[in-house]
Formats: sequence, structure tokens, C-alpha cells
Amino acid sequence: NAGVTQTPKFQVLKTGQSMTLQCAQDMNHNSMYWYRQDPGMGLRLIYYSASEGTTDKGEVPNGYNVSRLNKREFSLRLESAAPSQTSVYFCASSEQHSNQPQHFGDGTRLSIL
Amino acid sequence: RKEVEQDPGPFNVPEGATVAFNCTYSNSASQSFFWYRQDCRKEPKLLMSVYSSGNEDGRFTAQLNRASQYISLLIRDSKLSDSATYLCVVTTPGGSYIPTFGRGTSLIVHP
Repeated sequence: NAGVTQTPKFQVLKTGQSMTLQCAQDMNHNSMYWYRQDPGMGLRLIYYSASEGTTDKGEVPNGYNVSRLNKREFSLRLESAAPSQTSVYFCASSEQHSNQPQHFGDGTRLSIL
Repeated sequence: RKEVEQDPGPFNVPEGATVAFNCTYSNSASQSFFWYRQDCRKEPKLLMSVYSSGNEDGRFTAQLNRASQYISLLIRDSKLSDSATYLCVVTTPGGSYIPTFGRGTSLIVHP
């Protein structure tokens, strides 16, 4: 039972490098999300995709882009990484109804030097 | 005012104790409520949904108070393994159902 799979699990980048974080879910969920989590800040929504073919900005979208490749996959791209983007990134998915909880991947730990 | 607020703690309790956390939310139109558990350096995992009439799952009881706009989580007979951060999540309708997370309450259960 894979659930939500994120790759890579760890990554170190230099400032200015680009990178794509991958996320795939096998639960046939319509909605997918990208969060970042920093100490003392809780989970902050970067982008979400309510359904295949749509994407919308969350609370902290600057410096990121996303692609909903198909129903299963939702990628997050850093075009020019900055030290402020050092964080733990979580992908999540859910059914497209308010009473359905989210399921999370186990995270990508990203350090930008 | 943040949409979802939690006391960050830490709550430091002995094994066997009963402990309760509250979470307040600001939007009266909020529709769905959840408690998640997050272990250090791990992903959040659903602990339980919160229903209007309150609900129980083993040692865990969740309550919703719509009039005062808060939800609560009660843990009875605390175990060492209950040590974690507990996240409150509130979903408010409006085009897309976007969950809002509280910053979490840290619980430490000691022998």
C-alpha cells in the first residue's frame, strides 16, 4: 500500500540551482497539495490542485511552480533555489470533499547552501 | 488573528495521566475538523476526524463546540508512545476545500 510517494527523500542544492520534487498517489484522489514545514511555522500550503487540470496558489507560492501531470502525479519545481527555501516539503492528497482527510507522503528534506 | 490556533506546549505529563488539548478556529463557516499526529521528522498522520456529536477511539476522545468555535482532544491513560505533536486541522468551504493547519501542540509523556 504505497499511498503517497515522494522523491527524493533528501537533497542538497546550491543557491541558484533548479530542482523538481516528485509526488505520486495511488488512491485515485482528485486533490493534491504541496506544503512546506519550518520550525515554529507549522505546515504552510504552497500550491494545490483541486482536480486534474487545475492548480492554485496557496499561502506561500513565491519561488515555486507546480504541474499536475495527471491524476496521480503533482510535481513542485524550484527554478532558482534560495537558502530561504531550505525546508521539509510534504505532498498530500485527498478526495475532493471537505469531510475527507488528507494523506501525506513522508517528505523531502531539502537544504540549499 | 490566525485562523486556527493551538497552544504549542509542551505538555509534559506522566504515564497514565489524562491530558486535553484545545484548538480554536476563527471562521464560523468551517465545516470539517480533524486531529493529526506528527512524530519528530515524520509526516502528519490522521488520528481522528471530529464529529458534531463528539467521538471516541479507544483512549482518544474528540469534541466539537461550534458555539465557541473550538475542538478538543482528550487522551486518557497516556502512554510513552503518545509523545508527539498533535495538529488541529479545519476545513472551510469556498470553491475548493482547503484545510488549514494549526501549528501543533507538543506532548511529552514521561515514565
